[in-house]
Amino acid sequence: GESVGLHLPTLSVQEGDNSIINCAYSNSASDYFIWYKQESGKGPQFIIDIRSNMDKRQGQRVTVLLNKTVKHLSLQIAATQPGDSAVYFCAESGGRDDKIIFGKGTRLHILP
Amino acid sequence: DARVTQTPRHKVTEMGQEVTMRCQPILGHNTVFWYRQTMMQGLELLAYFRNRAPLDDSGMPKDRFSAEMPDATLATLKIQPSEPRDSAVYFCASGLGRGQPQHFGDGTRLSIL
Repeated sequence: GESVGLHLPTLSVQEGDNSIINCAYSNSASDYFIWYKQESGKGPQFIIDIRSNMDKRQGQRVTVLLNKTVKHLSLQIAATQPGDSAVYFCAESGGRDDKIIFGKGTRLHILP
Repeated sequence: DARVTQTPRHKVTEMGQEVTMRCQPILGHNTVFWYRQTMMQGLELLAYFRNRAPLDDSGMPKDRFSAEMPDATLATLKIQPSEPRDSAVYFCASGLGRGQPQHFGDGTRLSIL
């Protein structure tokens, strides 16, 4: 029979444009959020994080926005480059343990 | 840059064989996690340790999987006996605990024939 894999939403962006990847989280008690980038054949790589006492944090070419009211997280990548092509995961944690919960991921595809 | 190191990177073996995957966490990290990634299920947490003590292995099939930390520089994940449905990429990650990011190795790609 036909195998059905995990369907990842795909975002296609022109090289040089800005990318915005969105994520909805489920647990209102989550207080720490992380974005990871996973390239083919590699493990997830930490990009940027944000705590719930902030609503925006900037890194090099990346910005994370947190809207706790609607439980929404976004990753903005400025001037998207071919090397940004990857699957991006948001992750959340909260409570007293060390675990983080990963979202399903979004594939970013860069158009030449 | 400090990295999590996983060995082997690839493993192909026959059903019924024992498989051992190893992980060297980043020096100084006190939490270690094992994940499995498949196309069907995405990234699943199998087990994790804090200060070498197992804290949660509820994601792991306990009849065939076992995870240990013999010392602070080595974590192991064993499957015995292996089955074709265990085919996946297994990741190890380490971190400094709550409110800190986990850092991942590049995984062991396991194929059980």
